[in-house]
Amino acid sequence: GAGVSQSPRYKVAKRGQDVALRCDPISGHVSLFWYQQALGQGPEFLTYFQNEAQLDKSGLPSDRFFAERPEGSVSTLKIQRTQQEDSAVYLCASSLGQGRNTIYFGEGSWLTVV
Amino acid sequence: AQRVTQPEKLLSVFKGAPVELKCNYSYSGSPELFWYVQYSRQRLQLLLRHISRESIKGFTADLNKGETSFHLKKPFAQEEDSAMYYCALTRSNYQLIWGAGTKLIIKP
Repeated sequence: GAGVSQSPRYKVAKRGQDVALRCDPISGHVSLFWYQQALGQGPEFLTYFQNEAQLDKSGLPSDRFFAERPEGSVSTLKIQRTQQEDSAVYLCASSLGQGRNTIYFGEGSWLTVV
Repeated sequence: AQRVTQPEKLLSVFKGAPVELKCNYSYSGSPELFWYVQYSRQRLQLLLRHISRESIKGFTADLNKGETSFHLKKPFAQEEDSAMYYCALTRSNYQLIWGAGTKLIIKP
């Protein structure tokens, strides 16, 4: 009964480097979310998938951010040419459906850009 | 604009004392509100949602539409309640808008 799994848990990237963050949702969960949480702040919505379809990417801060979920299961959040302001915890979450289904969070990927 | 405000970054109370974590929101429409909790070195998890009208771990929260508030309350704090607490609302069928969180410390 594994929960949402994220990797890497910690990543230090040099400014300008590309990073890829992986999310393994709970098996069978249709909905998948990515959130960004800066230090001392609440999570901020990035993007939402229903199966393999990315239905909402309105929260992605720039075109350096890209997310995919090609087979409707594992998702990858890619950040190109990282900048210091990208330093944050990236949270992945999944739910069985949408609407009032409970959302389950992963432990997050802590990204530090130096 | 839709917004969730948690005015206290830190709240410290003694064990056995009442706890109230404040949450105010601005939203045009009928929001669905939640409290999430994050214990030390654990992941975010749902504590309660207003539509359920339930008490979880002794916590309750009542939606006050007149005051646009959804304060979290517990009559007698326990040490294991120490955690980060986040108030959130749904903007659409899936997107959550979050407050900045309140760190609750229960002193022995």
